[in-house]
Amino acid sequence: QQPVQSPQAVILREGEDAVINCSSSKALYSVHWYRQKHGEAPVFLMILLKGGEQKGHEKISASFNEKKQQSSLYLTASQLSYSGTYFCGTEKKEGYNDYKLSFGAGTTVTVRA
Amino acid sequence: DGGITQSPKYLFRKEGQNVTLSCEQNLNHDAMYWYRQDPGQGLRLIYYSQIVNDFQKGDIAEGYSVSREKKESFPLTVTSAQKNPTAFYLCASSISGGSPYEQYFGPGTRLTVT
Repeated sequence: QQPVQSPQAVILREGEDAVINCSSSKALYSVHWYRQKHGEAPVFLMILLKGGEQKGHEKISASFNEKKQQSSLYLTASQLSYSGTYFCGTEKKEGYNDYKLSFGAGTTVTVRA
Repeated sequence: DGGITQSPKYLFRKEGQNVTLSCEQNLNHDAMYWYRQDPGQGLRLIYYSQIVNDFQKGDIAEGYSVSREKKESFPLTVTSAQKNPTAFYLCASSISGGSPYEQYFGPGTRLTVT
């Protein structure tokens, strides 16, 4: 079952902040975040494992609330290079050593000068 | 340079024909995946493989088939049974299945069936 991402799209000016949310109806083992620029392959940003951890990648950070079954991605002081579509991928354990990701529909971020 | 290659970048087929999409990786990864991407729907898992000679159906496997005879190769066949095959197809790999391993994506193949 696909996680739900919100908002669907956001437009920012350089230097502004944004938050992208990812919610699941299933108990989560981990959350992955990827960014895809137009016409390119998705690129890995970070993984958050269960335990409520937070991670960062440049000025992009994320949190994972296992109890609420949700993750948030924080874009701080946005740069033009942050433009793209952000996907969360949620993971739950199915069977022994059998993992797979379910991706959200994506959030399109446009950063303008 | 290590990475994932998918060929061709663009593929055109007539309805009723089977077509095979290539995916090769030289990262020495055990796990490989096939995703389908449609506008507004994100990535949906078609098939995945944790080891050679073994693979599992993903969420939308109907009308597709795969093989994993070699560690570095995971071809996807779109059969004539797939009702709406026009889409962007992405192949990915990871060191092993599951966390904490990131997935590396290939450049994708855009398939158009008319």
